[in-house]
Parts: sequence; C-alpha cells; structure tokens
Amino acid sequence: GAGVSQTPSNKVTEKGKYVELRCDPISGHTALYWYRQSLGQGPEFLIYFQGTGAADDSGLPNDRFFAVRPEGSVSTLKIQRTERGDSAVYLCASSLGTGHEQFFGPGTRLTVL
Amino acid sequence: QQQVKQSPQSLIVQKGGISIINCAYENTAFDYFPWYQQFPGKGPALLIAIRPDVSEKKEGRFTISFNKSAKQFSLHIMDSQPGDSATYFCAAQPFGNEKLTFGTGTRLTIIP
Repeated sequence: GAGVSQTPSNKVTEKGKYVELRCDPISGHTALYWYRQSLGQGPEFLIYFQGTGAADDSGLPNDRFFAVRPEGSVSTLKIQRTERGDSAVYLCASSLGTGHEQFFGPGTRLTVL
Repeated sequence: QQQVKQSPQSLIVQKGGISIINCAYENTAFDYFPWYQQFPGKGPALLIAIRPDVSEKKEGRFTISFNKSAKQFSLHIMDSQPGDSATYFCAAQPFGNEKLTFGTGTRLTIIP
C-alpha cells in the first residue's frame, strides 16, 4: 500500500506570506504527527492528532502555526506571516495509534525568502 | 534544551567494518528508544528500537546496546555496507506520550 504522502514536495514563498502544507496518512492510521527538521538537525515535534482532535500541540512554536485534521484523515499545517526562520523540511508521520510505529512521509521543503 | 545527545556528527567506516553511534539522554521518563535511518530526500524510517527492560536487541546486522544506569544507548552496524550510507538518528519517547525527541543525527559513510 501507499505510504504517507506530502504535498507539495517543495514550497518557496516570500516573507510574510501564508502557506499550507498537506499530509495524506497511510489508510487506516488514526494518529498523525507533524515534525519540523531544520538543516543538519533531527526532526522536532510540532503536533499530534488522534482522530480529528489535536492530542498534543505543545511543539507548535507560536500562534502563527496551526494544523487541522477535520475528517480524521488528511491534515493541513498552516503557517501565517511566514518568517525566514520557518525555512525547514516539514515532516508528517502516521501510525495505527498510541504506542505504534510512526511512519514518516518524504517531507515538504519550505523556503521563505 | 537538547534532551538526547548524539555522537559522532559524522562517521566514515570501511566496508565490512563495524559502525558505532552513541546517544545519551537525561529524561528518566523516556521508555522507548528507536533508531531511524534517513536517506537524502526521504523521511526517517524506523530501523530498530528497544525498551529499557532489556540491555541489548539484535536484528540482522543491527544491534542496540542499552545502559539504563548510564542513560546511554548505542547502535552497532556489523559488516557495514555502502548501502548503509545514510544519516542515522536516535530518538526517545516517554511512556504514554507520543512525542519523539530526536538526536542531532550522524552522517555515516561506508567506503569500499
């Protein structure tokens, strides 16, 4: 079956613009995670969904970042008023639920000019 | 605050040799310790994982050694092959919490 897919694979935007990053989890996976990976660093947790609700959003850096998962499947990470420091690879992962392996997508590389 | 420290940052090993990557943690609430392998342009993929009730876990050429008292764990890759060239991340996860905390990564290069 298909793995986690993320679109777009690359996104270039200008400082101050709004962006949306999409994640399609593995079919049947109820848990979905967003991580951010800066150059030369390990992934950093942003937010975790169980079903439609955000079970843990403690990693979101500030209120410019927001994520939704309205139907418990596809998720969108939204970043308002982008800053150059937001440039990174945004990774999405999904799992069967609590305590199960997290499967990662290929990521969206965001570049803020 | 870096909760999981990983070393070395980069490692070059000859084909057939043993690659060793080390990690240390501070948070005693961590109870799940996975290792991920990442190729350029791809997301991390789970390689092998251990829980603190055992001191060692082996899967094929990959072994995790775990020292609970020292709060350290390491990945050993036996008979390293050029296809093992990738970036490796250790990670840790607390009991009852889905948040993975990753190390900074080790770029491994296996030379012929």
